[in-house]
Amino acid sequence: GQQLNQSPQSMFIQEGEDVSMNCTSSSIFNTWLWYKQDPGEGPVLLIALYKAGELTSNGRLTAQFGITRKDSFLNISASIPSDVGIYFCAPNSKLIFGQGTTLQVKP
Amino acid sequence: DAGITQSPRHKVTETGTPVTLRCHQTENHRYMYWYRQDPGHGLRLIHYSYGVKDTDKGEVSDGYSVSRSKTEDFLLTLESATSSQTSVYFCAISGGYSYEQYFGPGTRLTVT
Repeated sequence: GQQLNQSPQSMFIQEGEDVSMNCTSSSIFNTWLWYKQDPGEGPVLLIALYKAGELTSNGRLTAQFGITRKDSFLNISASIPSDVGIYFCAPNSKLIFGQGTTLQVKP
Repeated sequence: DAGITQSPRHKVTETGTPVTLRCHQTENHRYMYWYRQDPGHGLRLIHYSYGVKDTDKGEVSDGYSVSRSKTEDFLLTLESATSSQTSVYFCAISGGYSYEQYFGPGTRLTVT
């Protein structure tokens, strides 16, 4: 199967700190998507990337499609308590998801 | 929010019993998917559908079957539930050529 590595697996940070997470693969993809799952709910799409090297922002979120097309990064600036949840990467041309990064924010 | 509902939202059943989970959409999207979510495994694709009566297997399809007789409904059936199928099941939809998926609220299934 596809090798997809998402890191870190979990993060516990202070409110106001910046957060970085990434996904890497041995395969090349044409699409990278990032989702967030709030506790007890289904994942929600945050950002979609369709071009290698693309940098896209959505409020405090910034995501990049790696130039090699094998990786993607998600950054959250100035974290707030409602950022708590699980973040998933998904190069969805293969309908696979990363294992998730669980984010906890201490007020 | 995309119009996706799942039923039931919670179910407890015994080993060996059949179980059917329903996903209903009001978006008229072509593609529908069933995933399971387990700690340490993220979301894993069970089956998906690319049209009425058109379905295909995903990564973890053993022990599951699906049916799609109408655009709006996608059913997931566990013919004989096992404890290893205790999980949270999510339905998702996507339209056209987009890989962007919209997820339902999930069904928590416990097999005792």
